[in-house]
Amino acid sequence: DAGVIQSPRHEVTEMGQEVTLRCKPISGHDYLFWYRQTMMRGLELLIYFNNNVPIDDSGMPEDRFSAKMPNASFSTLKIQPSEPRDSAVYFCASSRGHEQFFGPGTRLTVL
Amino acid sequence: GENVEQHPSTLSVQEGDSAVIKCTYSDSASNYFPWYKQELGKRPQLIIDIRSNVGEKKDQRIAVTLNKTAKHFSLHITETQPEDSAVYFCAASSRDAGKSTFGDGTTLTVKP
Repeated sequence: DAGVIQSPRHEVTEMGQEVTLRCKPISGHDYLFWYRQTMMRGLELLIYFNNNVPIDDSGMPEDRFSAKMPNASFSTLKIQPSEPRDSAVYFCASSRGHEQFFGPGTRLTVL
Repeated sequence: GENVEQHPSTLSVQEGDSAVIKCTYSDSASNYFPWYKQELGKRPQLIIDIRSNVGEKKDQRIAVTLNKTAKHFSLHITETQPEDSAVYFCAASSRDAGKSTFGDGTTLTVKP
């Protein structure tokens, strides 16, 4: 298995633009997590899904953030409109048991 | 919800010395405690975990201990090497909740 796949790996955009981050979990995993990592706030859980259903989105910072999981092999995290304070590394992770497998992350820079 | 506190936030040791990182959790329902290592610019990766029915687990130079009564668990690294330098995260989870709550991380620096 190729592991969790995220795209793009790097994204540079201007304030106000829409940003879409993509994730393909490991086949057979039933949980999918979206995290944001910054120096100031560490590793924050934004939202997680179980069997494609959002379970807890209490970590989503604002209405500008939304996430979807239309099927078991794909999820998106969208930021619209983006702001400079959204600059961070965004990780997607998936699990079947307890262990979470992280993707390589997307480094987002909002100018 | 669960709250995980991790100490220290930074730790510097000489190569060959031991390093200990401690975490406390609040939810007595938590029954799974993983430790992740994140090297600079890389993703977090699981290095060791422990379940609530076990008090200690070892894997070569790393070990984890769990005290359920006191609600704390620790990571022990012996004979540290420069390649152990990384950020280490503890976490706690209950399977029913699905998610793991992470500590804030400890930056370990091993000086050659």
